[in-house]
Amino acid sequence: AQKITQTQPGMFVQEKEAVTLDCTYDTSDPSYGLFWYKQPSSGEMIFLIYQGSYDQQNATEGRYSLNFQKARKSANLVISASQLGDSAMYFCAMTSGRGTGRRALTFGSGTRLQVQP
Amino acid sequence: GAVVSQHPSWVICKSGTSVKIECRSLDFQATTMFWYRQFPKQSLMLMATSNEGSKATYEQGVEKDKFLINHASLTLSTLTVTSAHPEDSSFDICSAQRSQGGTYEQYFGPGTRLTVT
Repeated sequence: AQKITQTQPGMFVQEKEAVTLDCTYDTSDPSYGLFWYKQPSSGEMIFLIYQGSYDQQNATEGRYSLNFQKARKSANLVISASQLGDSAMYFCAMTSGRGTGRRALTFGSGTRLQVQP
Repeated sequence: GAVVSQHPSWVICKSGTSVKIECRSLDFQATTMFWYRQFPKQSLMLMATSNEGSKATYEQGVEKDKFLINHASLTLSTLTVTSAHPEDSSFDICSAQRSQGGTYEQYFGPGTRLTVT
């Protein structure tokens, strides 16, 4: 079984500052993938970033970076230079097991980020 | 890019009636689609895995006779909620799995907001 834990129900950040959203995971499989999605009020799920369990480098995508600490089983999302449009719900998710990309995602409970001007 | 559509984007139905939601992969074939359900202020939970040409696989606790899934073609999966009740009001999101060169990626539809009165 796999589990994702997001312990921050809500976060505030000032515009242009960086913010870290926490995510820890649990799985017994050595092969897994970690994802972050953004869900604005419209409801659509917007893919932000992916980290594979065997990836040596931390993933980065523009203003998003994933701080992957395998020994701690954490996959925190860092958003640099926050913008008002970053205000949304953020979900950490994972798949695990062989053929990890073929499996459904398990989601954390989410963190609501509010960017203040 | 890979595009997944859902229809309708929102639906209001009366208690006791049935409603059908479609999930289409517009520019790729998807042998597997996933149906997720989200209640207000909650995370996404996997309901079922839809496989083209075979029966869907339901998660524990999901009534397969109430949530009928049909994956009749490589680009279309449908979810029919039968005898809907107000507690079924939710945001239902599908994702379609694309296979490319031995890797698998999932693409989310925009979601369907279901309101049962």
